[in-house]
Amino acid sequence: AQKITQTQPGMFVQEKEAVTLDCTYDTSDPSYGLFWYKQPSSGEMIFLIYQGSYDQQNATEGRYSLNFQKARKSANLVISASQLGDSAMYFCAMRVIQGAQKLVFGQGTRLTINP
Amino acid sequence: NAGVTQTPKFQVLKTGQSMTLQCAQDMNHEYMSWYRQDPGMGLRLIHYSVGAGITDQGEVPNGYNVSRSTTEDFPLRLLSAAPSQTSVYFCASRPAGPSNQPQHFGDGTRLSIL
Repeated sequence: AQKITQTQPGMFVQEKEAVTLDCTYDTSDPSYGLFWYKQPSSGEMIFLIYQGSYDQQNATEGRYSLNFQKARKSANLVISASQLGDSAMYFCAMRVIQGAQKLVFGQGTRLTINP
Repeated sequence: NAGVTQTPKFQVLKTGQSMTLQCAQDMNHEYMSWYRQDPGMGLRLIHYSVGAGITDQGEVPNGYNVSRSTTEDFPLRLLSAAPSQTSVYFCASRPAGPSNQPQHFGDGTRLSIL
């Protein structure tokens, strides 16, 4: 079975600082993908970034990057130069290739950016 | 660009009532899914479909039915509502193909069972 663990229920960061949101995963499948989603207070789910298990380089998308450490089974999201609009819930999720329709989510981390 | 459209946005039911949550997508995506989001538990998969006429159970299917008669629509039916089904429900879709394709989510339906 697949499992995602996000150990930080809440994070508080000063504006313009970088922040790292932790995500560890567990799977015995060698082929999988990891996703990060943002959920602002309005409730919608916004896709941020993707990392495949065979990708050689860490994924980056603008201010978002994924610190992928395969041996440690971690896929931490790094947000550089945080902004007030980054305040939201953040979810890490995993899809194993064999069960390609199933996306398993972590419990989420609530990030608050202070001015 | 409608994307994934869920109706209604809010609903209050009494225990034992039945209802259908609607989900429609206009992106011609093969895969569609229903999730529920409860506080502190993230999103959990209820049912999913890989194409018209094909559905399967997810992690928490009990108390829910689905059908997929068209590519566009994937309704979720609550057969006899229970307070434990109070939750926010999300429908999602994605194209078949490379596994790096993210799910596209609807805006959610907030459901309360009294």
